[in-house]
Amino acid sequence: ILNVEQSPQSLHVQEGDSTNFTCSFPSSNFYALHWYRWETAKSPEALFVMTLNGDEKKKGRISATLNTKEGYSYLYIKGSQPEDSATYLCAFLNTDKLIFGTGTRLQVFP
Amino acid sequence: NAGVMQNPRHLVRRRGQEARLRCSPMKGHSHVYWYRQLPEEGLKFMVYLQKENIIDESGMPKERFSAEFPKEGPSILRIQQVVRGDSAAYFCASSPLKPGDTQYFGPGTRLTVL
Repeated sequence: ILNVEQSPQSLHVQEGDSTNFTCSFPSSNFYALHWYRWETAKSPEALFVMTLNGDEKKKGRISATLNTKEGYSYLYIKGSQPEDSATYLCAFLNTDKLIFGTGTRLQVFP
Repeated sequence: NAGVMQNPRHLVRRRGQEARLRCSPMKGHSHVYWYRQLPEEGLKFMVYLQKENIIDESGMPKERFSAEFPKEGPSILRIQQVVRGDSAAYFCASSPLKPGDTQYFGPGTRLTVL
């Protein structure tokens, strides 16, 4: 059974703090790693698709890195804002299907 | 370009009835995926379809569940003789090309079985 682990499960930070969380995945047979942002009552929104070892991607204040050899990816948020409050999901592509982690629930307090 | 559409958004069924969930992918997308989120759990893959073909149904329960993506019209996830344990949020996603591409999610259908 392929396991995708995310930590921490939840995180509370103050507005302006920078934060990061981890996604661990199997290091063999790697195809791609996806990051999604999921706000309550909305659809998961794609952030990044990462395919190469050492990949770094950035979208505004959010960035992600990828280490396929050791099987982990970090998501960073610089200067968190209340609107960043959401669950952040990573998903490992196993041939043709995404295996999702259970997410990190981020709450940013003003 | 409209996003992925799902309907209904909420569906209530009594035990033993049938549930039909619809998903219209984004325009130009020929790959559709269904996921289920059980209460207090994460998103779990159910099935991957291309037009008129089921590519991977390894996440589908063996009985009562079926999916199709006809040449014309939306993809349908059908659950026969629903039971309380089928209560969940069902999400559909679509991608333009291969599964490694970004998958765009619909708003989900929340199924409640009484």
